[in-house]
Amino acid sequence: KAGVTQTPRYLIKTRGQQVTLSCSPISGHRSVSWYQQTPGQGLQFLFEYFSETQRNKGNFPGRFSGRQFSNSRSEMNVSTLELGDSALYLCASSFLSSGEEKLFFGSGTQLSVL
Amino acid sequence: GESVGLHLPTLSVQEGDNSIINCAYSNSASDYFIWYKQESGKGPQFIIDIRSNMDKRQGQRVTVLLNKTVKHLSLQIAATQPGDSAVYFCAENAYNQGGKLIFGQGTELSVKP
Repeated sequence: KAGVTQTPRYLIKTRGQQVTLSCSPISGHRSVSWYQQTPGQGLQFLFEYFSETQRNKGNFPGRFSGRQFSNSRSEMNVSTLELGDSALYLCASSFLSSGEEKLFFGSGTQLSVL
Repeated sequence: GESVGLHLPTLSVQEGDNSIINCAYSNSASDYFIWYKQESGKGPQFIIDIRSNMDKRQGQRVTVLLNKTVKHLSLQIAATQPGDSAVYFCAENAYNQGGKLIFGQGTELSVKP
């Protein structure tokens, strides 16, 4: 079956703009987690959605938000972009809640903020 | 901050040799650990996992060892191949922090032909 799909693959934005990233989990998976990956900070947990509810949230400002739809697809939004938001944003899915089993990752969305 | 860290940021091995990548964790309550491999331009790929009721688990050419006494995790790759070149991350289930997976900083493995 198809893996985790993230769109778009690359994105260039300017400071102050907002951006929406999309993630389609593996069919049947109910949990979607989002991570930010940068060379300096590694993989940082953003949030997890399970059956349309935010189950967990990392230490990111409120400019970072997300949601999950009834078909388990998820979006994350970053408002008022800052240069430091440039990163690879990874989405991962699992059938059970994150932490109970392995996550399957997409290839990510590379966001560049100019 | 991160509760999982890697001892070495880079590791260079000769093709055919065995590789050992180490990871330390600080959350003694963690009960599930995973190793991921990330190649350039790709997302992390699952390699092997282990639960805290085990101290060793083997896969195809890979073995994970868990020492709960010293809170140490290692990934052993047998007969390392050029295709094994990647960044390797360990991750722990911080269930007492909400159940999310926390990742270490990663170790870059370079295989010399």
